[in-house]
Amino acid sequence: DIQMTQSPSSLSASVGDRVTITCRASQTISSYLNWYQQKPGKAPKVLIYAASSLQSGVPSRFSGSGSGTDFTLTISSLQPEDFATYSCQQSYSTPYTFGQGTKLEIK
Amino acid sequence: QVQLVESGGGVVQPGRSLRLSCAASGFTFSSYAMHWVRQAPGKGLEWVAVISFDGTNNYYAEFVKGRFTISRDNSKSTLYLQMNSLRAEDTAVYSCARDQFPWGSRHAFDYWGQGTLVTVSS
Repeated sequence: DIQMTQSPSSLSASVGDRVTITCRASQTISSYLNWYQQKPGKAPKVLIYAASSLQSGVPSRFSGSGSGTDFTLTISSLQPEDFATYSCQQSYSTPYTFGQGTKLEIK
Repeated sequence: QVQLVESGGGVVQPGRSLRLSCAASGFTFSSYAMHWVRQAPGKGLEWVAVISFDGTNNYYAEFVKGRFTISRDNSKSTLYLQMNSLRAEDTAVYSCARDQFPWGSRHAFDYWGQGTLVTVSS
């Protein structure tokens, strides 16, 4: 199975900050990397698919990059509604594993 | 609009069975692969299983292989998860999710249900 490791596990930041979350795959996954945002009690929402494609309706302050084994999710200017948990997921091969999540909290 | 509504969760004793359902609407269900994903209380997302759009192919996470069965009825736009030999560690919210694009594979999940809680406890 492909292991997905995110860092950091938690992060404190302020509104307006630029934030970067990283995700590393245990083997190459080309660009089959997706990012999700989840708020407490809510279903996950896809933000970025195929490593760098912005899902329709997602604000342009979210961006993704990377290929192979190393990927990043960047939020260019944090907004109050962005405080949530972010998870990466590989869809290169089954089982479609998720990272452990990064909890983004208000500083 | 796309809707996915899970049902069938509850409290069950270890070793017993449960069948979850996911009723889909607002899209051509028979064109999309579907997934089950679970989340234990306070934990991260864990992919469970996938079934192809036509039901001919399915794959499972190792920790449910041989115990869980994913299936679908395209005539009813419904996805199922038959869970046998349940264990305490299967306690989680189980959600169904749709592949982002019709047919094919290796896609993100663009619509999710709200989930149904399964609690395995004696």
